[in-house]
Amino acid sequence: DIQMTQSPSSLSASVGDRVTITCQASQGIHSFLIWYQQKPGEAPKVLIYDATHLKAGVPSRFSGSGSGTDFTFTISSLQPEDIATYFCQQYDNVPLTFGGGTKVEIK
Amino acid sequence: QVQLVQSGAEVKKPGASVTVSCKASGYTFTNYDIHWMRQVPGQGLEWMGWMNPDSGSTDYARNFQGRITLTRDLSISTAHMELTRLTSDDTAVYYCAKAQVRDNWFDPWGQGTLVIVSS
Repeated sequence: DIQMTQSPSSLSASVGDRVTITCQASQGIHSFLIWYQQKPGEAPKVLIYDATHLKAGVPSRFSGSGSGTDFTFTISSLQPEDIATYFCQQYDNVPLTFGGGTKVEIK
Repeated sequence: QVQLVQSGAEVKKPGASVTVSCKASGYTFTNYDIHWMRQVPGQGLEWMGWMNPDSGSTDYARNFQGRITLTRDLSISTAHMELTRLTSDDTAVYYCAKAQVRDNWFDPWGQGTLVIVSS
């Protein structure tokens, strides 16, 4: 099984700050990585797919980079509505696996 | 719009079984695989398995083999997930999700169904 190591597990930043989350796969997954946002009591929503592609309608302050084993998710300017938990997921191989999540809070 | 609506919360006793339903609308049900995940409150996501609604073929995660069954009712565009021999460790929110045509990422997800296992 492919292990997805996501860090940090939580972070606190100020409005307007740049926020970066990383996800490392235990083996190469090409660009088959997606980033979800999950707000309390809600289902996950797609932000970035294929590692770098922004889903239509998602604000451009969200971005993704990387391929192979190392991936980065960035919020260029944190907004109050970005308070959520963010997960990565690999879809290169079954079983599909998720990172442990990063809880983003406002300082 | 494309939507998955799940059945309501369940409370079960240890050893019992639970079935969660997932009704699809806004797209052709048989054209996209349905996957199931679960999330223990405050923790990460765990993939459980998937079903091709057209053929009925399934694949299950190793952790759930022998306890999970995925089925569908084409007449009402609904997928079902049955989990048997429940323990307290199965207390979680269970999600269905629609896969993409080519790739196994999910959009949208159902709203989630809380299953509580308690004596």
